[in-house]
Amino acid sequence: AQKITQTQPGMFVQEKEAVTLDCTYDTSDQSYGLFWYKQPSSGEMIFLIYQGSYDEQNATEGRYSLNFQKARKSANLVISASQLGDSAMYFCAMRVAGGTSYGKLTFGQGTILTVHP
Amino acid sequence: DTGVSQDPRHKITKRGQNVTFRCDPISEHNRLYWYRQTLGQGPEFLTYFQNEAQLEKSRLLSDRFSAERPKGSFSTLEIQRTEQGDSAMYLCASSPGRGRRDSNTEAFFGQGTRLTVV
Repeated sequence: AQKITQTQPGMFVQEKEAVTLDCTYDTSDQSYGLFWYKQPSSGEMIFLIYQGSYDEQNATEGRYSLNFQKARKSANLVISASQLGDSAMYFCAMRVAGGTSYGKLTFGQGTILTVHP
Repeated sequence: DTGVSQDPRHKITKRGQNVTFRCDPISEHNRLYWYRQTLGQGPEFLTYFQNEAQLEKSRLLSDRFSAERPKGSFSTLEIQRTEQGDSAMYLCASSPGRGRRDSNTEAFFGQGTRLTVV
């Protein structure tokens, strides 16, 4: 079974500052993917960034980067130059390959990010 | 194609009534997932379709829940005899699915159907 843990229920950051959202995971599978999604108050889940378990480089997508530390089983999201529009719930999720997982995602409990002007 | 769409966006129903939600995935996606999200929690997996075949159901999916995906296109999720505990956001997601070892295909989510049972 897979498990995702997000230990920060809420985070605050000043506009234009960087912020790190923590995520640790647990799985016995060797091949897996880690995802971060953003969920604004409107409800839709917006894909932000992906990191594969065999990727040697940390993933980056614009202002988002993923600090992947495989030995520690952590996949923290770093948002640089925070904007007011970044205020939302953020979810870390995992998908394992093969077997009977069928690509379903296992989510953490989320972190509410509030960006202050 | 503008993405995954779900209908209705909001549903208020009385306890004991039946409700049905619809999900239209991205047209070329053969994988379709339903998730349930209660307030302050992350989404939890409910069921999975590969084309028209329902290949996995979570233990969260009680006998009152049924899902279909006729012809491998849109999907419906029906809840019979709704209970207050069914109040949640129901999210649908689709992904292209390039085989059994594809851990890197992102899932595209709809905007969800928020169900309130009164």
